Amino acid sequence: ETGVTQSPTHLIKTRGQQVTLRCSSQSGHNTVSWYQQALGQGPQFIFQYYREEENGRGNFPPRFSGLQFPNYSSELNVNALELDDSALYLCASSLNTGELFFGEGSRLTVL
Amino acid sequence: GENVEQHPSTLSVQEGDSAVIKCTYSDSASNYFPWYKQELGKRPQLIIDIRSNVGEKKDQRIAVTLNKTAKHFSLHITETQPEDSAVYFCAASSPSGTYKYIFGTGTRLKVLA
Repeated sequence: ETGVTQSPTHLIKTRGQQVTLRCSSQSGHNTVSWYQQALGQGPQFIFQYYREEENGRGNFPPRFSGLQFPNYSSELNVNALELDDSALYLCASSLNTGELFFGEGSRLTVL
Repeated sequence: GENVEQHPSTLSVQEGDSAVIKCTYSDSASNYFPWYKQELGKRPQLIIDIRSNVGEKKDQRIAVTLNKTAKHFSLHITETQPEDSAVYFCAASSPSGTYKYIFGTGTRLKVLA
């Protein structure tokens, strides 16, 4: 059974650019959530996808968007990057137990 | 709004001593409270969780207690070991979304050998 994998692990962008982060959920998990973790802070909920539909969103602007594919993998897209978007972006998959299985994260630096 | 407060932010204990981390949540409708451990550069991993119909849960050296009336819950680690050193996050489920969790700001635990 493979765990949650994310790519890329690290990336550097400049203000105004766009970024796409990718996540493969744990085998059999149909729900994917994305969290933003700023340095020294707890993860903050961005949104969640269940069977290719967004079914929950946190307090993030519309320039944060996502997709889930039929194989339950997911993408997080961020447009018009700002300096404050620099963070670790965590993807987590889940089934029915409530437990979130996190990936190792994608560390984004915006210059 | 939904909020989880966690303290202390840092905690140092001698190996073998106990460690206690406390969290308070704001929404009385929250009904699931997981605790995650995050080692440096690693992913958060669930170590224990508790649901609102239970007051206490124990798993070897780790226990969690929940006081629904006061809206607070605590993590207790006994007989601490150096490998317990990590950042610990509490979280509370948000009634507004399945698997939407509100996380605390974390406690950096250092176990001194």
